[in-house]
Amino acid sequence: ETGVTQTPRHLVMGMTNKKSLKCEQHLGHNAMYWYKQSAKKPLELMFVYSLEERVENNSVPSRFSPECPNSSHLFLHLHTLQPEDSALYLCASSQDDGVSNSPLHFGNGTRLTVT
Amino acid sequence: GDSVTQMEGPVTLSEEAFLTINCTYTATGYPSLFWYVQYPGEGLQLLLKATKADDKGSNKGFEATYRKETTSFHLEKGSVQVSDSAVYFCALKKINAGKSTFGDGTTLTVKP
Repeated sequence: ETGVTQTPRHLVMGMTNKKSLKCEQHLGHNAMYWYKQSAKKPLELMFVYSLEERVENNSVPSRFSPECPNSSHLFLHLHTLQPEDSALYLCASSQDDGVSNSPLHFGNGTRLTVT
Repeated sequence: GDSVTQMEGPVTLSEEAFLTINCTYTATGYPSLFWYVQYPGEGLQLLLKATKADDKGSNKGFEATYRKETTSFHLEKGSVQVSDSAVYFCALKKINAGKSTFGDGTTLTVKP
């Protein structure tokens, strides 16, 4: 496989459930990101990991918990979500070498519905 | 802080029409500029980029020129196709900034 792979593609969960979103990148990149895309709202950056260390957390509620066990994998653990958390969650990666501005490579997202 | 402003959509064009989607930015330093495209049911993918002033990015018939004097990076295509229907995002990124700054996206619909 190549690129950035996200699983599952679709997820329906109740407000009391716990689930996890998975992202895997096969590009050898050293930075990974979680974005939230809601209808009629701008793209929201949630978390940034660089070299497996979290470097940015944009005031995301604690019911979202990221995990980056290695440079190829990124998880988003979900618990006690609210209906307004229903959205498309996008994972992305990039190679940040301190010299060039490489673009982001996105997965196809997980469409999350909270009931 | 840095920001990107895109032309509001939606934009509806007939096939073979000329496309312009305006993008202006505010940033300190020397950002690189990008256009991403999102087709229905997919994530964003890089369409083109420019890394310094006066650079022109191009791909699949789309072009955009990095204009530092007007802080703009407008996307153009001479003849759109139905398959170009998608959401287009303008973005900037700075070295070691740790994140990209995106515009709100512009939805393009091309009718046969």
